[in-house]
Amino acid sequence: QQQVKQSPQSLIVQKGGISIINCAYENTAFDYFPWYQQFPGKGPALLIAIRPDVSEKKEGRFTISFNKSAKQFSLHIMDSQPGDSATYFCAAGNTGKLIFGQGTTLQVKP
Amino acid sequence: GAVVSQHPSWVICKSGTSVKIECRSLDFQATTMFWYRQFPKKSLMLMATSNEGSKATYEQGVEKDKFLINHASLTLSTLTVTSAHPEDSSFYICSARSRGGWSSYEQYFGPGTRLTVT
Repeated sequence: QQQVKQSPQSLIVQKGGISIINCAYENTAFDYFPWYQQFPGKGPALLIAIRPDVSEKKEGRFTISFNKSAKQFSLHIMDSQPGDSATYFCAAGNTGKLIFGQGTTLQVKP
Repeated sequence: GAVVSQHPSWVICKSGTSVKIECRSLDFQATTMFWYRQFPKKSLMLMATSNEGSKATYEQGVEKDKFLINHASLTLSTLTVTSAHPEDSSFYICSARSRGGWSSYEQYFGPGTRLTVT
């Protein structure tokens, strides 16, 4: 019940396209859903986060869509750029502890 | 803002020795710090949660006598890998969380420490 399932495992997108990564959770006690970006050999960096009382949050090219009834949330990267090539992790948390998804390796082709 | 540093960034040690990794929050006070372990091309596995001035809480399966965590101040937590063995080789990442409200959920990660045990 503590798992967060992330898909796809890897994703290849053309420059300018939309990258979509999905996550699903089981524990309805989760009340914080962040997305992190990680480059090789570096620590994860917080991209964007959402609470379950809203269905969508947008920051620049990054949008989180949240479906509370389906217990799913997704990250959309608009106008994907080669510099977005990285590993993306979703996470879910409550009481401050985060459970991470398995990660998605995104490659944006020029 | 919200910068977390780790030292060292990489370390090589001989089997049987101990190694200490430092995690510092540079521009905020971290009431809670977390230690994660990450294997190549894998997700982050939470090892323990440390609160300033109290004992760390370890996740199931993590040996508390092997991975000693100290959170001595609001800006510093240390992870000591005792009697290291090659299977302890990994990427260790800390994160820090400040106190209160919505921001108390946000974790800011350090750059990680690559440990290689020979």
